[in-house]
Amino acid sequence: AQSVTQPDIHITVSEGASLELRCNYSYGATPYLFWYVQSPGQGLQLLLKYFSGDTLVQGIKGFEAEFKRSQSSFNLRKPSVHWSDAAEYFCAAKSSGGSYIPTFGRGTSLIVHP
Amino acid sequence: EAGVAQSPRYKIIEKRQSVAFWCNPISGHATLYWYQQILGQGPKLLIQFQNNGVVDDSQLPKDRFSAERLKGVDSTLKIQPAKLEDSAVYLCASSSRARGRDTEAFFGQGTRLTVV
Repeated sequence: AQSVTQPDIHITVSEGASLELRCNYSYGATPYLFWYVQSPGQGLQLLLKYFSGDTLVQGIKGFEAEFKRSQSSFNLRKPSVHWSDAAEYFCAAKSSGGSYIPTFGRGTSLIVHP
Repeated sequence: EAGVAQSPRYKIIEKRQSVAFWCNPISGHATLYWYQQILGQGPKLLIQFQNNGVVDDSQLPKDRFSAERLKGVDSTLKIQPAKLEDSAVYLCASSSRARGRDTEAFFGQGTRLTVV
């Protein structure tokens, strides 16, 4: 079955520290991959997406993600976290062919300490 | 470009009552999704439309949930009767199609439903 796994429920970092949020997928073929951020009471905002090509993807707000086919991973990174980055982060995937049903991971809550 | 519009933003109802949510997708987006997001969980797809046809509704509890997109634009999601476990945020999203494939989905702010 197709699935997206975010193994970390919570991540705590200090402001200015680097960040990596993990995401693994289980699909028959390489899916389209996305990272979304959700601030409290807000809808989901797309940070970045990977369809094909360069495996290092740049997104908004200084985020980037690297697609690693061998590890079935699409981890999100940021070199220096700001307090305003505290939010819920969701990894999502869609099949690149056939039915295009997007699947979300359960989310990782990012806590930023001053 | 206007985003995905949803209303109402908040709704509180008693169990066994009915409720309806409305979504206006981004203009020109053929695909519309309704998601349910229970507190502490990722969004779960309830139903996906392409224009006014249903692509997938396998996770929609059809005994109490219904959705329609009659003219291929706006959509409504209805719950009748509501149960306590329906308390969640209901997110609407839309996406366009490029070369026969859906691109990324843009989300509305959601409707927070509380069933008491």
